[in-house]
Amino acid sequence: AQKVTQAQTEISVVEKEDVTLDCVYETRDTTYYLFWYKQPPSGELVFLIRRNSFDEQNEISGRYSWNFQKSTSSFNFTITASQVVDSAVYFCALSERWGSNYQLIWGAGTKLIIKP
Amino acid sequence: ETGVTQTPRHLVMGMTNKKSLKCEQHLGHNAMYWYKQSAKKPLELMFVYNFKEQTENNSVPSRFSPECPNSSHLFLHLHTLQPEDSALYLCASSQEGGPGQPQHFGDGTRLSIL
Repeated sequence: AQKVTQAQTEISVVEKEDVTLDCVYETRDTTYYLFWYKQPPSGELVFLIRRNSFDEQNEISGRYSWNFQKSTSSFNFTITASQVVDSAVYFCALSERWGSNYQLIWGAGTKLIIKP
Repeated sequence: ETGVTQTPRHLVMGMTNKKSLKCEQHLGHNAMYWYKQSAKKPLELMFVYNFKEQTENNSVPSRFSPECPNSSHLFLHLHTLQPEDSALYLCASSQEGGPGQPQHFGDGTRLSIL
């Protein structure tokens, strides 16, 4: 079975601190995709990044960076110099074949609280 | 205008009512999805439509009935719901139903069953 584990249920830091959200996945597929989404209090899930299993280069986008390590089946997300607006629930997801389509297997989410 | 729009934002209904949730996407996508998000549980995929055809049904009870009249619109018809159906219902769309396609979500409909 394919599974996504976000062991950190909730993280609370003070603004400007760096914070890393962990994601560990399990899959038997050799080709797969991983995603991170952000869900602010308004409810909408916002797509942040997609990574395919063949691309192990780390990615940086402004204050956000992602560390993909196949050897440990992890796809961790770091926010540098956190801001109050980063407060949200963050979800990691794995793409899995489902019938003739693909579905996303979601982690339980990590609630991130940034205090001013 | 936002990419994926859901109405209503909030819905309170009794167990014997019939109501519908609406989703509209303005992204030119061909695949649309309904998800259920309950407290303390991962997102649950309910239905997938690809090019207006329902391709998957994730063993959802028949009291939930989806309808996709065209690639831009998706409905979820609700009938004789149970209290455990109270949740946030999210609609999403993607370019196609492929493995690497990011899904774009609406704000959701917060449903409460009395």
